[in-house]
Amino acid sequence: GAVVSQHPSWVICKSGTSVKIECRSLDFQATTMFWYRQFPKQSLMLMATSNEGSKATYEQGVEKDKFLINHASLTLSTLTVTSAHPEDSSFYICSAVRSGGGNTEAFFGQGTRLTVV
Amino acid sequence: SQKIEQNSEALNIQEGKTATLTCNYTNYSPAYLQWYRQDPGRGPVFLLLIRENEKEKRKERLKVTFDTTLKQSLFHITASQPADSATYLCALRGSSASKIIFGSGTRLSIRP
Repeated sequence: GAVVSQHPSWVICKSGTSVKIECRSLDFQATTMFWYRQFPKQSLMLMATSNEGSKATYEQGVEKDKFLINHASLTLSTLTVTSAHPEDSSFYICSAVRSGGGNTEAFFGQGTRLTVV
Repeated sequence: SQKIEQNSEALNIQEGKTATLTCNYTNYSPAYLQWYRQDPGRGPVFLLLIRENEKEKRKERLKVTFDTTLKQSLFHITASQPADSATYLCALRGSSASKIIFGSGTRLSIRP
């Protein structure tokens, strides 16, 4: 199956700093990628939809200036958590939908555990 | 607003039995309904997708049903094994390019 790789798998940062998380589709092109966050024992909450070459679409309640999303190519989307605070500590997961051919399956990365201290 | 409910937060069954998980949704007309498996600290892994015009889909020991009238999907694991223990997530999509919305998940435990 298709592979989506997230980097880093985990990161610890100081409060007030920014952290960038990468999401790559390794063997397919993805016009659309999604970013989720997941708190312990809760389900995945969609943060934003990332479209290659255009601005991301954010879900209600998600601050676009705090969670910067860039989808500069068909295989890479990045999420930057700016001025991170302890409440931003969470598990961030991306997914990518393979472009073309009527494909509908979304492939997920392994997630990034962010801890802000 | 759109709502997806997975009725059981946790389900414990004996090895060898069939596990049945339920997913109900409201205020939504999905084109696709998907089931994922998630292990602790990992991203979800795709299991099965069923389209709105399909009633049943099978893959090895897995079976999914989709009733658009009842707005419900059932996910079955037959001949369950301890290795099947995980959280199972129901997810809906309105179209091939639209966002995926997840249910709260059911934590399945299979005891030997």
